[in-house]
Amino acid sequence: GENVEQHPSTLSVQEGDSAVIKCTYSDSASNYFPWYKQELGKRPQLIIDIRSNVGEKKDQRIAVTLNKTAKHFSLHITETQPEDSAVYFCAASMFGDTGFQKLVFGTGTRLLVSP
Amino acid sequence: EAGVVQSPRYKIIEKKQPVAFWCNPISGHNTLYWYLQNLGQGPELLIRYENEEAVDDSQLPKDRFSAERLKGVDSTLKIQPAELGDSAVYLCASSLDRAAYNEQFFGPGTRLTVL
Repeated sequence: GENVEQHPSTLSVQEGDSAVIKCTYSDSASNYFPWYKQELGKRPQLIIDIRSNVGEKKDQRIAVTLNKTAKHFSLHITETQPEDSAVYFCAASMFGDTGFQKLVFGTGTRLLVSP
Repeated sequence: EAGVVQSPRYKIIEKKQPVAFWCNPISGHNTLYWYLQNLGQGPELLIRYENEEAVDDSQLPKDRFSAERLKGVDSTLKIQPAELGDSAVYLCASSLDRAAYNEQFFGPGTRLTVL
């Protein structure tokens, strides 16, 4: 079935530490994996994404890795700052019953970066 | 450039009452999505439009929910009658076209409370 599992549900780190959030997906046909950041009371915003033909992608302090064989992907944030505090959602593209691809989201990780 | 616009931002109604949400996507975006976001969960797709055609509404509870995108631009999502369990945030998103790897831009959402 359509399923994206995300761990941990909450993550507390000290400023300057690294944070890692992991997701697993069920559909081997999934080929697109975006990560969204949602600050309290605000809209989700795309921060990084990766396609299945790439194993790793980096953008400044943020990186995403993908292991297609194991069907899991991870978000890595280095040198965390208080403004990184938010809820992070992973997502995977999946074919639904209608035959169209859609994004299936994980349950989110609340990241708290303490000064 | 204006982002995805939604109104109202907040709505409080009593159960069994009707309610409607409005969304205006980013100009030029052909694909429009309505998502449901329960507290502490990721967004779940309710319906997707390609221009004015609903191409994926398999997750829309059709006994009480309806949606339209008459001119292929803005869209309305309606619930009639509302139930207590409908309390959630309703997010609208748009993308350039239906390709899964196109970034989905989210609106700020409408927070619905059913009493």
